[in-house]
Amino acid sequence: SAVISQKPSRDICQRGTSLTIQCQVDSQVTMMFWYRQQPGQSLTLIATANQGSEATYESGFVIDKFPISRPNLTFSTLTVSNMSPEDSSIYLCSVGVHTEAFFGQGTRLTVV
Amino acid sequence: AQKITQTQPGMFVQEKEAVTLDCTYDTSDQSYGLFWYKQPSSGEMIFLIYQGSYDEQNATEGRYSLNFQKARKSANLVISASQLGDSAMYFCAMREDNQAGTALIFGKGTTLSVSS
Repeated sequence: SAVISQKPSRDICQRGTSLTIQCQVDSQVTMMFWYRQQPGQSLTLIATANQGSEATYESGFVIDKFPISRPNLTFSTLTVSNMSPEDSSIYLCSVGVHTEAFFGQGTRLTVV
Repeated sequence: AQKITQTQPGMFVQEKEAVTLDCTYDTSDQSYGLFWYKQPSSGEMIFLIYQGSYDEQNATEGRYSLNFQKARKSANLVISASQLGDSAMYFCAMREDNQAGTALIFGKGTTLSVSS
């Protein structure tokens, strides 16, 4: 199994600023996934982060807006840049281990 | 086309009754995994149950069981003896090729409300 510590758990930010979300996993994993959940919606994959290479972004998400770092096999960060109220969402990181999939506790972001 | 379809935006059930949440999926992969998660208002994703495409038996975890009908591409979640604490959003998800390095694809979710 895997335990993921994600922080912050929530934040209220001013528009135009940036927020960096951190995820720490208690075991080494090759891939880490970042999802966005807009209010009342389902989870949408933002990008896949592989240690040692640039993240792979899904359609509709760009590196300038959501830069991701993956410095080692247990840690990753997602930055939400130049925020607007439309970025208000829950952001979740996730890892897969064998047949299982584990999630961090989520970051509830409100942009005002 | 949607890969995961959950057709019930909301479901209502009384305490102690059973409820079935529907999920159909679409994939051309032979190997895939199906998951159900519960998301309370806190936002965390709580894993409930997993079914592999090659698993012949339906998965069960306590009060949760997965009614897996491969030919119909359905993976319905059955919750027996509903409790008030079961009120939450429920998501069906699929992992194509069923590898740990592949992301999950989620359905739109079903909101379950349990009343006393």
